[in-house]
Parts: sequence; C-alpha cells; structure tokens
Amino acid sequence: AQKITQTQPGMFVQEKEAVTLDCTYDTSDQSYGLFWYKQPSSGEMIFLIYQGSYDEQNATEGRYSLNFQKARKSANLVISASQLGDSAMYFCAMRDTGRRALTFGSGTRLQVQP
Amino acid sequence: NAGVTQTPKFQVLKTGQSMTLQCAQDMNHNSMYWYRQDPGMGLRLIYYSASEGTTDKGEVPNGYNVSRLNKREFSLRLESAAPSQTSVYFCASSVGQGVYNEQFFGPGTRLTVL
Repeated sequence: AQKITQTQPGMFVQEKEAVTLDCTYDTSDQSYGLFWYKQPSSGEMIFLIYQGSYDEQNATEGRYSLNFQKARKSANLVISASQLGDSAMYFCAMRDTGRRALTFGSGTRLQVQP
Repeated sequence: NAGVTQTPKFQVLKTGQSMTLQCAQDMNHNSMYWYRQDPGMGLRLIYYSASEGTTDKGEVPNGYNVSRLNKREFSLRLESAAPSQTSVYFCASSVGQGVYNEQFFGPGTRLTVL
C-alpha cells in the first residue's frame, strides 16, 4: 500500500536561511510521481514542485528544490533563502500507477521568523 | 481563466440535512477529484472521475455520492449529513491519470455539521 510519511509536524527557520522538509514514501511501483504542495493560512493548495521516479536530476523551481534519493525512498523539499511568506503547511504527495489520485502525508507546518 | 472553482465557500448544516457541493474547471481537464481535509491531516480522496461519464470510489466514500455532469463539472452530494463529515472539502482536476499529472485544486469548502 502507498504511504507518505512526514515526520516533522512543525519547523522553525530564520528568514533568509535554507530549510529542509522531510518526506519518505513507500510504493512497490517503479513508475511514480512525487509532489509538494503549500497550504497557506488562507487554505488553498498551491503546487510547488514535481519529481518523477525516472528523473535522473533533482527537480528545481526557483527557490524550491527536491532532494530525491530513490534508494532511500525520500523526497525532501529544500527551500532556500526563506521568506516570511513561506510560512505555511507543506504537504508531500505521491501518485503511482496503481492509484488514481494523490496520496498525501500529514504535512509540516513551517514558520519563518524575522 | 478561473482554474478550479467551488461553491459554496462555507456551509453549516444540521445533522440529517442534505447538500451538494459544486465544482467546475475551465482547463479542459479530463480527470476530477474530491478530497476532504480534517484537522492535522493531509487530504484524503473521497471520489474521483477519470474521465467524463465515469466515477470511482476513493479512500473514504461512505456517506457521499458524486455526479460528473459534463467535462467541466463534478459535484459531491451529502444525502444525510453527519457531524463526522465536518471538514474542508477540496475539488481538484488534472489533465489525465498519468503519475506525472499535476493536480490543480479549488479554494475549498468549509463544511460544519451540527
């Protein structure tokens, strides 16, 4: 069965510093996609970054990068140069060929301090 | 281009009442989804529609029904609301069912059942 584990319920980071949000996953499929979403206090779900299981390079999108370690089944989100606006819940999610929709982790609440 | 829209934004029901949550997307996506988000948890799939004319159960379908009215619209119905259905409901859509297909989310409906 699919499972996404986010072990950090809450994280603090100083403004302008980098932060890593952990995500491990479990699947028996060879083909799968990993996604990170941001949920600010306003409630909407904002797509940040995607990594495919066959992608050889780590995905990057602006200040977001995904540290993908396939053998360890981890897909950590790295946010560089944190900003106050980065304070939000962050969800890791996965989809494989056996499932028609995303499986989400329980999320990490990030608070950026000035 | 509004993306994914949901109505209503907020709703309070009494136990036993019924209601329909509406969702529409203008991105010409084939697949649509309904999720619920409970406090401290990630999103869980209620129902999905892989393409127009098809619907399938997700993880937590009990107490809900859906209708894929056309390619744009996917509604979620609570026939007899229960306090356990108090949650935030998100509709999402994607181009298709591939593992790499990003899902776009609506703003959510906050439902309280008294």
